[in-house]
Amino acid sequence: EDQVTQSPEALRLQEGESSSLNCSYTVSGLRGLFWYRQDPGKGPEFLFTLYSAGEEKEKERLKATLTKKESFLHITAPKPEDSATYLCAVQAPMNRDDKIIFGKGTRLHILP
Amino acid sequence: DGGITQSPKYLFRKEGQNVTLSCEQNLNHDAMYWYRQDPGQGLRLIYYSQIVNDFQKGDIAEGYSVSREKKESFPLTVTSAQKNPTAFYLCASTPTGLVPGNEQFFGPGTRLTVL
Repeated sequence: EDQVTQSPEALRLQEGESSSLNCSYTVSGLRGLFWYRQDPGKGPEFLFTLYSAGEEKEKERLKATLTKKESFLHITAPKPEDSATYLCAVQAPMNRDDKIIFGKGTRLHILP
Repeated sequence: DGGITQSPKYLFRKEGQNVTLSCEQNLNHDAMYWYRQDPGQGLRLIYYSQIVNDFQKGDIAEGYSVSREKKESFPLTVTSAQKNPTAFYLCASTPTGLVPGNEQFFGPGTRLTVL
């Protein structure tokens, strides 16, 4: 069964304390892996798309990487405004359409 | 500014009532989607539409219905047959369906509470 697992479920960091969030997946024929940021009570905001193992993308304090089985979202010197839930999703073939499978997310809290 | 709007932001429903959630986009996107989000759960697909006048069931379509009469609009009706409708509902769109790398743009969501 295709699955997306994110860890940890929740993470508390001090401001400036770098860390990584993990997204592991078991799908056949990955066509794309997405990272989103979601603030409480709001819709997800797109961050990155990764297509193939070895690919990396950066945006401000965030860097996303991809291997054949997992993706990491690295957060360097985070600030309190980086506090949010980070969602990972994978796109894989399903019959005539693709499907998108979301993980449950990692709740990140940055303490000032 | 282009984007997706959902209304209302909060919705309260009595048991046994049908309610309709609005989703409008001015991004000129062909494909639109409805998701449900529950605490501690990933987003689950309810219905999706890749083109006007066509839509398909997602993973949890029972108790829901949709229509796609206009490219810009994809309303979701939560019927009385949905046993546990209290949730956060998210509408999304993509330019041309789920081709590789076609990230989804999300609306702000509607929180539905059944009283």
